[in-house]
Amino acid sequence: GQQVMQIPQYQHVQEGEDFTTYCNSSTTLSNIQWYKQRPGGHPVFLIQLVKSGEVKKQKRLTFQFGEAKKNSSLHITATQTTDVGTYFCAGPGRDDKIIFGKGTRLHILP
Amino acid sequence: DAEITQSPRHKITETGRQVTLACHQTWNHNNMFWYRQDLGHGLRLIHYSYGVQDTNKGEVSDGYSVSRSNTEDLPLTLESAASSQTSVYFCASSASVIGELFFGEGSRLTVL
Repeated sequence: GQQVMQIPQYQHVQEGEDFTTYCNSSTTLSNIQWYKQRPGGHPVFLIQLVKSGEVKKQKRLTFQFGEAKKNSSLHITATQTTDVGTYFCAGPGRDDKIIFGKGTRLHILP
Repeated sequence: DAEITQSPRHKITETGRQVTLACHQTWNHNNMFWYRQDLGHGLRLIHYSYGVQDTNKGEVSDGYSVSRSNTEDLPLTLESAASSQTSVYFCASSASVIGELFFGEGSRLTVL
């Protein structure tokens, strides 16, 4: 079946350093979504990318969708303590069911 | 403001008991979903519904059932709870089938 894989599983960075998480799908995706889950919280939608090669920015966050629409990345510039949490990518699989990657847990060291 | 609420937020039950987790949304979304979240597995889809009287199995549906009698509610029932069903359960809804998901705050279920 379709798989959505994320790396790394965990990432520790010093506050102010950059952070990147990568998402890879075994099949072509019609879109890719990114969510953030704070510790003890629920997933919150960040963004959706639809077009091949698309790049979108939200302040310090940059999202990319690969040319083949099978991979994506989230890059955070100059991390802050508020960036702590788990970042999930998700995409529609068979029957358009939204399938989530296992997430990347980001820890910020002060 | 529109919202999606889950109840109970925390529940402890015993093996073999029937448990129902409630999910209620006021977004008027046709699409509703139940996910479970376990360490190392991320979010896995249990059941989903694209409208009233429509229900479908997700990737981990064994031992769970749902019903959709109105637009607002999608209760999740564990017919005979097992320890393997100890998890955090999230309900979500969306306006379009492959669009943004709005999640509830989650229900933490412990099966002893």
